[in-house]
Amino acid sequence: NAGVTQTPKFRILKIGQSMTLQCTQDMNHNYMYWYRQDPGMGLKLIYYSVGAGITDKGEVPNGYNVSRSTTEDFPLRLELAAPSQTSVYFCAISGQLQETQYFGPGTRLLVL
Amino acid sequence: DAKTTQPNSMESNEEEPVHLPCNHSTISGTDYIHWYRQLPSQGPEYVIHGLTSNVNNRMASLAIAEDRKSSTLILHRATLRDAAVYYCILRLDNYGQNFVFGPGTRLSVLP
Repeated sequence: NAGVTQTPKFRILKIGQSMTLQCTQDMNHNYMYWYRQDPGMGLKLIYYSVGAGITDKGEVPNGYNVSRSTTEDFPLRLELAAPSQTSVYFCAISGQLQETQYFGPGTRLLVL
Repeated sequence: DAKTTQPNSMESNEEEPVHLPCNHSTISGTDYIHWYRQLPSQGPEYVIHGLTSNVNNRMASLAIAEDRKSSTLILHRATLRDAAVYYCILRLDNYGQNFVFGPGTRLSVLP
């Protein structure tokens, strides 16, 4: 039981490149979330999903897209990478709203 | 938006109790108070949560003020492994936007 896995662990992108951050869970939880964490700051919600086929914007969605075709996977897409997207990205899951969230190990992204 | 205020940093000696305060004066009646912590280079991990009554678990205790405008996370005996950033979190009053993380309190534990 791995919980929440994220790939890759670290990536360097050039400005304008695109990439997909992967998040997979094996706990069969309905709720999934993407956060970003800038140095020395707290986490900010980018997108979330309450179940397969349903996604919605969080606090900072600009420059990102998500999809949720299965319960297990919630990929985050960056279409045109910008230096402002340099951050650590965390995926999280929960069984229901307000319940405990379980976080993945994070993906460190550097855009140069 | 329900927001929290925490001290930027605190220090504790090993094996002593630690009281981490949090102010949340705009909390709504249905908001749970959650605490998470983040160890260096890791994702946040759940510590404890509560609504109105004080709560205890194997990691910590949560003391909630009677008016719910503040709370305190209590680590009964700090260890070096407890050095982390501790986040006091409320749910935004919008469906789905579950948690808002502030900058948290960086706890240092001295041997």
